[in-house]
Amino acid sequence: GDSVTQMEGPVTLSEEAFLTINCTYTATGYPSLFWYVQYPGEGLQLLLKATKADDKGSNKGFEATYRKETTSFHLEKGSVQVSDSAVYFCALTPAGGNNRLAFGKGNQVVVIP
Amino acid sequence: NAGVMQNPRHLVRRRGQEARLRCSPMKGHSHVYWYRQLPEEGLKFMVYLQKENIIDESGMPKERFSAEFPKEGPSILRIQQVVRGDSAAYFCASSPPTSGGYLYNEQFFGPGTRLTVL
Repeated sequence: GDSVTQMEGPVTLSEEAFLTINCTYTATGYPSLFWYVQYPGEGLQLLLKATKADDKGSNKGFEATYRKETTSFHLEKGSVQVSDSAVYFCALTPAGGNNRLAFGKGNQVVVIP
Repeated sequence: NAGVMQNPRHLVRRRGQEARLRCSPMKGHSHVYWYRQLPEEGLKFMVYLQKENIIDESGMPKERFSAEFPKEGPSILRIQQVVRGDSAAYFCASSPPTSGGYLYNEQFFGPGTRLTVL
């Protein structure tokens, strides 16, 4: 079935550092791809999305490009802030209109001042 | 416009009791989804409902779990005879009706209900 794999373990980095979180997926056809962010004690918020190959989603300085050839959707930000500390989830919905989301395990990001 | 509301935020039950989790979707949203987040895991899809209909329950455990979304009132996720393995965060999401050619409608998530089974 459809699945999403995120890199293992938390990510700790200093303020203004470059952030990359890897995400790869397994799915048939062309799924829609998403990054969600979860702040402590809150629900998930959509950060960005891409619905077709080579699309780039961007929001709040974060970017991710839908790479069909490598089945990847890596999240990047050039200069992180302490307020970016959160858990980040990569997710997909299958091609064909089934609206249910399949999530990766998430990555805890801790930004140190 | 209020967001997705879930209550209670925290629920403690003893083994064998029933748990009822409520979800009020955003205004104008007629689609509701339930997801479960086990410790150290990502969210797992459980069920997708529209008003008075279960559209996809392929992620629901076959026993003890049920969900409904009545014509009036919130969606309810019901867990009978809870066991310790049911301890998790349960998230509800809602989306508007599908319109035009859209194949995807953004899901808006509630803050979750954290169920602890003693």
